[in-house]
Amino acid sequence: AQSVAQPEDQVNVAEGNPLTVKCTYSVSGNPYLFWYVQYPNRGLQFLLKYITGDNLVKGSYGFEAEFNKSQTSFHLKKPSALVSDSALYFCAVRVHTGGFKTIFGAGTRLFVKA
Amino acid sequence: NAGVTQTPKFRVLKTGQSMTLLCAQDMNHEYMYWYRQDPGMGLRLIHYSVGEGTTAKGEVPDGYNVSRLKKQNFLLGLESAAPSQTSVYFCASSSGTSGGANEQFFGPGTRLTVL
Repeated sequence: AQSVAQPEDQVNVAEGNPLTVKCTYSVSGNPYLFWYVQYPNRGLQFLLKYITGDNLVKGSYGFEAEFNKSQTSFHLKKPSALVSDSALYFCAVRVHTGGFKTIFGAGTRLFVKA
Repeated sequence: NAGVTQTPKFRVLKTGQSMTLLCAQDMNHEYMYWYRQDPGMGLRLIHYSVGEGTTAKGEVPDGYNVSRLKKQNFLLGLESAAPSQTSVYFCASSSGTSGGANEQFFGPGTRLTVL
């Protein structure tokens, strides 16, 4: 079965420290990979995506993610966390099954402490 | 641009009642989607549409119906609401160019409670 795993329900970091939110996937073929962020009582917002090319992709708000094909991972990173980064983060994988189904991870809550 | 809008924002239903959730997008996107979000489960796809007049089932379609009579609108209907349909519902849209490589744009959500 195709799946996306975000192994940590919550990640706690201190402001100014680097952060990593992990994502691994199990799908057939070459998927497209996305990260979205959700702030309280809001819809999801796109952060970044990997389609092809350079394994390190940069996105909004200073976030970046590294695609690792051998480990089937797409971890989200930021060199220096801000309190305002505190939110719920979703990894998503898009597979081409007639209509491009997107599989979302369960989400990781990031808490940045001042 | 308003992006993706959803109405209503909140709704409380009694078991067995029906309702329709409206989603509208002003970005001329071909693809539209309905998801439900439940704690600890991420987003699950209910139905989706790849163009005006077309719909398809997603991961959890039972108990829901959809229609896309106009390109900019995607309606989600609950014919006979059940407590298991208590959830937050999100509509999203994406461009049909570049295959599936385009990101989705989400609405603000509808919080539905079925008593």
